Amino acid sequence: AQKVTQAQTEISVVEKEDVTLDCVYETRDTTYYLFWYKQPPSGELVFLIRRNSFDEQNEISGRYSWNFQKSTSSFNFTITASQVVDSAVYFCALSEARRGGAGNMLTFGGGTRLMVKP
Amino acid sequence: EPEVTQTPSHQVTQMGQEVILRCVPISNHLYFYWYRQILGQKVEFLVSFYNNEISEKSEIFDDQFSVERPDGSNFTLKIRSTKLEDSAMYFCASTNREFNTEAFFGQGTRLTVV
Repeated sequence: AQKVTQAQTEISVVEKEDVTLDCVYETRDTTYYLFWYKQPPSGELVFLIRRNSFDEQNEISGRYSWNFQKSTSSFNFTITASQVVDSAVYFCALSEARRGGAGNMLTFGGGTRLMVKP
Repeated sequence: EPEVTQTPSHQVTQMGQEVILRCVPISNHLYFYWYRQILGQKVEFLVSFYNNEISEKSEIFDDQFSVERPDGSNFTLKIRSTKLEDSAMYFCASTNREFNTEAFFGQGTRLTVV
C-alpha cells in the first residue's frame, strides 16, 4: 500500500528565510509519480509540480525547488526567500501507474502548514 | 484557462438528508475523481470514474455514496443519508490521461451536516 508522510505539521518562518518542507513516501511499485500541491487559505488545491520515478533530476522554478531522492524515498520542497504569500498548507502526494482508470488516484500526506511572517 | 467547477460552494444539510454535489470537469478530460478533506486534515481519495463506471473506490466510499455522469458534462457525488461525520470539503478532480499527469481540482464544496 502506498503512503506519504509529511512529518512537519507546521512551520513558521520570517519573510526572506529559506524553508524546506519534507516528504517521505512508500510504495512497492517501480513506476510512480510524486506531486506537490498548495492549499492557500481560500481552500483550493493548486498544482505545483509532478515528478515521475524515473526522473531524479532536481527542479527549480523561480523561488521553488524540489529535491527527489529515490535512495531515501524523499521528495522535498524548498522555498527560497519566502514571502507572506507563500503562507499555505502544502501537500505532497503519490500516485501509482495503475491501469483501468485509477492511475491518477492520489495518496496525500498530512500536509505542512507554512506560516511566513512579515 | 479551462477549469473544474463545483457547485454549490457551500451546502448545509440536516442529518439524514440526501445531498448531491455537482462538478463540471474540464471538457476533454476522461478520468474523474472525488476527494474529501475533513477540516484541518489531509485530503482523502473517495472514488475514481472512467468510461462510465467506477474504476476504484476507497473504504470511505460505502453504500451511502454514489457517483454519476448523467450527461456529457456533469459529474455528481450523491450522499444518500448524510451523517454528521460527512461534514467536510469535497473536491472534484479530472485528468486527461490515465496516469503521469496532474489532476486539476475544483474549488471544492464545503458540506456541513447539522
